[in-house]
Amino acid sequence: DQQVKQNSPSLSVQEGRISILNCDYTNSMFDYFLWYKKYPAEGPTFLISISSIKDKNEDGRFTVFLNKSAKHLSLHIVPSQPGDSAVYFCAASAGRDDKIIFGKGTRLHILP
Amino acid sequence: EAGVVQSPRYKIIEKKQPVAFWCNPISGHNTLYWYRQNLGQGPELLIRYENEEAVDDSQLPKDRFSAERLKGVDSTLKIQPAELGDSAVYLCASSYEQGNYEQYFGPGTRLTVT
Repeated sequence: DQQVKQNSPSLSVQEGRISILNCDYTNSMFDYFLWYKKYPAEGPTFLISISSIKDKNEDGRFTVFLNKSAKHLSLHIVPSQPGDSAVYFCAASAGRDDKIIFGKGTRLHILP
Repeated sequence: EAGVVQSPRYKIIEKKQPVAFWCNPISGHNTLYWYRQNLGQGPELLIRYENEEAVDDSQLPKDRFSAERLKGVDSTLKIQPAELGDSAVYLCASSYEQGNYEQYFGPGTRLTVT
């Protein structure tokens, strides 16, 4: 039973355009959401997070949107750059003492 | 600042053999995590340490897996005996304090069991 779902295994976007990665969750107890980025042969690196009390969080080119009623969040990357090509994991937690649940990841390809 | 160090990076063993993975977290990070990442999946938590205490090992298959963090710094994860289904990447992560969502991951150990 997957609690965090990333339904798009891969996504290709032209350099300079917007990349939108989507994530759905089923557990209504989740109150903190994160995005991690992973390059081949490296461990995931933290990218951006959002608390359930917010609906948007921005950090430079990266913005995460949270729609609690739809149990959906998305990561927007604008503008997309070649170095953004990586696997992006959506993750969620039900509290600071609870474990983080990861989705399966979406592989983003930025096309020249 | 040095990152999370893991060794070995790759390991190939035959089934029923033992294997051990080592992790050295970022200096000063009290919380250490071991994750397993199967092909095409996200990381799944195996065990979490706060200093030398295992505070969440509910996902650790205790019949064959064991872990230790004796001095509250580096940690070892062991599998004995290994099974074919244990083939995966084993990731170690650390964070400064309990509940800190910003976990820093090591590069992982890719285990292949033949």
